[in-house]
Amino acid sequence: DTAVSQTPKYLVTQMGNDKSIKCEQNLGHDTMYWYKQDSKKFLKIMFSYNNKELIINETVPNRFSPKSPDKAHLNLHINSLELGDSAVYFCASSQLGQGSGNTIYFGEGSWLTVV
Amino acid sequence: QKEVEQDPGPLSVPEGAIVSLNCTYSNSAFQYFMWYRQYSRKGPELLMYTYSSGNKEDGRFTAQVDKSSKYISLFIRDSQPSDSATYLCAMSAGYGGATNKLIFGTGTLLAVQP
Repeated sequence: DTAVSQTPKYLVTQMGNDKSIKCEQNLGHDTMYWYKQDSKKFLKIMFSYNNKELIINETVPNRFSPKSPDKAHLNLHINSLELGDSAVYFCASSQLGQGSGNTIYFGEGSWLTVV
Repeated sequence: QKEVEQDPGPLSVPEGAIVSLNCTYSNSAFQYFMWYRQYSRKGPELLMYTYSSGNKEDGRFTAQVDKSSKYISLFIRDSQPSDSATYLCAMSAGYGGATNKLIFGTGTLLAVQP
């Protein structure tokens, strides 16, 4: 039973397209995140949501729009995709917040390639 | 300069070796320190968590934090091929709360040769 599941796992698309990545967690957590991992494995937070409310927005271009219909779901929509958006996008969730030591559970990642 | 620095490796060791992985950081406000393990094509998973300075042991894994030097380490004893993965350090200043940011190192790729 996957705790944090995200789809699709692999996505290849052309520049200028719009795409979405969906995420669901079945852990009952209040906080969900989107992270971006670049080709050098650098993992950086993009957004965090707590109970459907946007808490952290890390100077991400506004082409990226997260949406949380309920606390178990956090989707990421990307408009006008650029080559530099190619990366692995991880959805994650936790109960209290990132720095508490309460485990952050990551999904398996969505590999986005923009050509 | 990044807030958290980590040697990307790769680090290749023979099975059974003791592995030492390290991170340095610049923000003296960091108090919570974590190590994540990430297998290829998978998401990171929490391996160890420590608060402030000191050591913490869990099986073959020991995490050390030296706040005075702004230096943290993860030691793996009797390393196994199954330990081959990327190890990411992560740290934060505050306890809990969705506004609290976790800052990751770039990860060290470890390969344990059988």
